[in-house]
Amino acid sequence: KQEVTQIPAALSVPEGENLVLNCSFTDSAIYNLQWFRQDPGKGLTSLLLIQSSQREQTSGRLNASLDKSSGRSTLYIAASQPGDSATYLCAVGGGADGLTFGKGTHLIIQP
Amino acid sequence: EAQVTQNPRYLITVTGKKLTVTCSQNMNHEYMSWYRQDPGLGLRQIYYSMNVEATDKGDVPEGYKVSRKEKRNFPLILESPSPNQTSLYFCASSPIVANSYNEQFFGPGTRLTVL
Repeated sequence: KQEVTQIPAALSVPEGENLVLNCSFTDSAIYNLQWFRQDPGKGLTSLLLIQSSQREQTSGRLNASLDKSSGRSTLYIAASQPGDSATYLCAVGGGADGLTFGKGTHLIIQP
Repeated sequence: EAQVTQNPRYLITVTGKKLTVTCSQNMNHEYMSWYRQDPGLGLRQIYYSMNVEATDKGDVPEGYKVSRKEKRNFPLILESPSPNQTSLYFCASSPIVANSYNEQFFGPGTRLTVL
């Protein structure tokens, strides 16, 4: 059964720093990997989707990488801003089975 | 605007009183799914549907039913809710590409409390 782990569970950094969030998964037989952000009491916003055949995806200040063989993905956030404060969730998907989520990284960007 | 909508957004009910949470998407997606989110347990899939009249169990289906009579709608039914079904529920949809769902889009969530 797929397991997804996110490290760290919480992170607090000053505004302007570049940071990396880590995600690892136990079964490399995935179709895709998706990063989400969740604001308190809100839904999930899709940030980036990486197909299993891809190595990375970029959107604005966000860059996500995927290394299937080692079961790892990273989300890189450049020049962090207070508005980036949220919980970031990593989820891996395969076939018809639903996404398997990590428990998230709670990120606080200090002004 | 492309979106997944859920209703109601908030619901407080009592044990045993049947309820339905509706989910609708306007993106013509084949794949739809329900998740629940609980503190310390994260998000877990309840049921999913690959297309009309095609539904299947996820990881935590006990106590729930679904139906998919139309492509855009995927209601979640709790026939006899119990307090352990108190949770935050999310509906999601996705196109199907190469026999798998692609990027999943989530609704705003339904916070359910069962007393």
